[in-house]
Amino acid sequence: NAGVTQTPKFRVLKTGQSMTLLCAQDMNHEYMYWYRQDPGMGLRLIHYSVGEGTTAKGEVPDGYNVSRLKKQNFLLGLESAAPSQTSVYFCASSYGSSSKQFFGPGTRLTVL
Amino acid sequence: GQQVMQIPQYQHVQEGEDFTTYCNSSTTLSNIQWYKQRPGGHPVFLIQLVKSGEVKKQKRLTFQFGEAKKNSSLHITATQTTDVGTYFCAAKTSYDKVIFGPGTSLSVIP
Repeated sequence: NAGVTQTPKFRVLKTGQSMTLLCAQDMNHEYMYWYRQDPGMGLRLIHYSVGEGTTAKGEVPDGYNVSRLKKQNFLLGLESAAPSQTSVYFCASSYGSSSKQFFGPGTRLTVL
Repeated sequence: GQQVMQIPQYQHVQEGEDFTTYCNSSTTLSNIQWYKQRPGGHPVFLIQLVKSGEVKKQKRLTFQFGEAKKNSSLHITATQTTDVGTYFCAAKTSYDKVIFGPGTSLSVIP
């Protein structure tokens, strides 16, 4: 039982490049989330999903897209990376909206 | 919109001293969760509070939910070096959104 896994762990991009972050969970959770964490800002919700095939915007969605084609996977895409997107990205999942969230180990992204 | 504040932002304590962090919301909450993030790690769930005035304990940690369900606190008795990390509250509103506070970073001096 791996819990929540994220790929890759580290990435360096140049401005304008694109990439996809992959999150996978093996707990059969309905809810999945993408957060970014910046110093002093806590965790800010980018997008979330309440089930397979659904996505919704969070607090800071601009510049990101997501897809949830399979229940166990939640993808976060950056179409044209900007230095402001340098951050640590965490994926999380939960059974329901009021349930505790399980976090992945994070992806450290640097955009030059 | 909904805001969740945490104070203090940083706290340095001598090992053995007590520590408290406070979480405040501008609106009434459905529930509140607390998470701990060790340096370099990911947030890990500690506890959830649902009822007005609820108090829960986990060994040296005491969690409290305010009577008005707008604030919460986490108190650690006799801190140890293993308590080092950032403590986040996560507030759930009636609109089904969970909002994380900015966190309190705890340092423990041996």
